[in-house]
Amino acid sequence: RKEVEQDPGPFNVPEGATVAFNCTYSNSASQSFFWYRQDCRKEPKLLMSVYSSGNEDGRFTAQLNRASQYISLLIRDSKLSDSATYLCVVNLYGQNFVFGPGTRLSVLP
Amino acid sequence: NAGVTQTPKFRVLKTGQSMTLLCAQDMNHEYMYWYRQDPGMGLRLIHYSVGEGTTAKGEVPDGYNVSRLKKQNFLLGLESAAPSQTSVYFCASTQPRDNYEQYFGPGTRLTVT
Repeated sequence: RKEVEQDPGPFNVPEGATVAFNCTYSNSASQSFFWYRQDCRKEPKLLMSVYSSGNEDGRFTAQLNRASQYISLLIRDSKLSDSATYLCVVNLYGQNFVFGPGTRLSVLP
Repeated sequence: NAGVTQTPKFRVLKTGQSMTLLCAQDMNHEYMYWYRQDPGMGLRLIHYSVGEGTTAKGEVPDGYNVSRLKKQNFLLGLESAAPSQTSVYFCASTQPRDNYEQYFGPGTRLTVT
């Protein structure tokens, strides 16, 4: 089993749609969790950290379920500019980050 | 503030040639990383450093060496390039007090023929 797995995608959704991405991780000792966004041929950039109580940033909501070792990202009211690959990242300890393979999203006009 | 920079941006090597990729950060971060990204596989950690003068192996270290002689620089070396090292290489840095948010450089696209 891979350490971090994500929905295989791609997701093609119309503008204004709500889309949810799922991520599971295998190491129960994982300490912190993130969603990164990567545009085509660009570097990854932090979208949001994921906290145990769940957190929201505008149209984006992240949830963490430690018991199920599951992380989610919800995007509401999708914009064309949301088209990108979304990377789930798990930090085991300090310097050890594990990236999921990513889920590609295309928002269509 | 330049953040994280990488040189070169592109490079084509022949099998057996050597090269060094340079990563520089101006954020005074302690931790630095080298990743490679291949289609469908996500980013994989090659080597990392938790401070000046220290380095450690990541998930895929074979064929690479690194050095961190200065806090702001992290060098990745390929002693004898192989076609399997064709990839996009990203450098990143972070600081524990920043909740480990990683800042990435723009990447180096390397092709080994």
